[in-house]
Amino acid sequence: GAGVSQSPSNKVTEKGKDVELRCDPISGHTALYWYRQSLGQGLEFLIYFQGNSAPDKSGLPSDRFSAERTGGSVSTLTIQRTQQEDSAVYLCASSLDGRAYGYTFGSGTRLTVV
Amino acid sequence: GNSVTQMEGPVTLSEEAFLTINCTYTATGYPSLFWYVQYPGEGLQLLLKATKADDKGSNKGFEATYRKETTSFHLEKGSVQVSDSAVYFCALSDTGFQKLVFGTGTRLLVSP
Repeated sequence: GAGVSQSPSNKVTEKGKDVELRCDPISGHTALYWYRQSLGQGLEFLIYFQGNSAPDKSGLPSDRFSAERTGGSVSTLTIQRTQQEDSAVYLCASSLDGRAYGYTFGSGTRLTVV
Repeated sequence: GNSVTQMEGPVTLSEEAFLTINCTYTATGYPSLFWYVQYPGEGLQLLLKATKADDKGSNKGFEATYRKETTSFHLEKGSVQVSDSAVYFCALSDTGFQKLVFGTGTRLLVSP
């Protein structure tokens, strides 16, 4: 597609439920990143995919968080047993070569855990 | 590890004033440097970038020069507009897995 697409744009869930967030990167972009932006906080790196593999998962905050990418395209970030501190905007970005061309971000999914 | 430090905000200016937002970095190797902007209610947009020392990135009247000797990438604009009100993030792309490392962001408020 023309840009990075994320869905849903907003998600309200009850504490303890599982949620899935989807990212559809720009066609042909091999690298995909997930970030989290909490209120009053900066941008926190979560995980990086190159193709379907994730060579850097160092930012995932706990084992409740997991992500996968299939077909070198769509990625899903799953949060199990959500907690209130998981409330944030989850951002996805893709790139062909980040150092040379930069990264294109989606509009994000605003997750609210009540 | 790699890190980015930005000046604290908010920065409050009148229209047509000169803008500087300071950014310094710590990195191994030779990272690329970026400024991203986030307008109210919108996602992050790439504003400008520089991939090597002494490069100047520019866009929409904004400029930043990659200074290796001072490890800085300060954002400047000669005459700000109300529409420039946003949060500005300085970032670097490390040389390993190329993930972006962000500063904490600086909010700019421009009044008419």
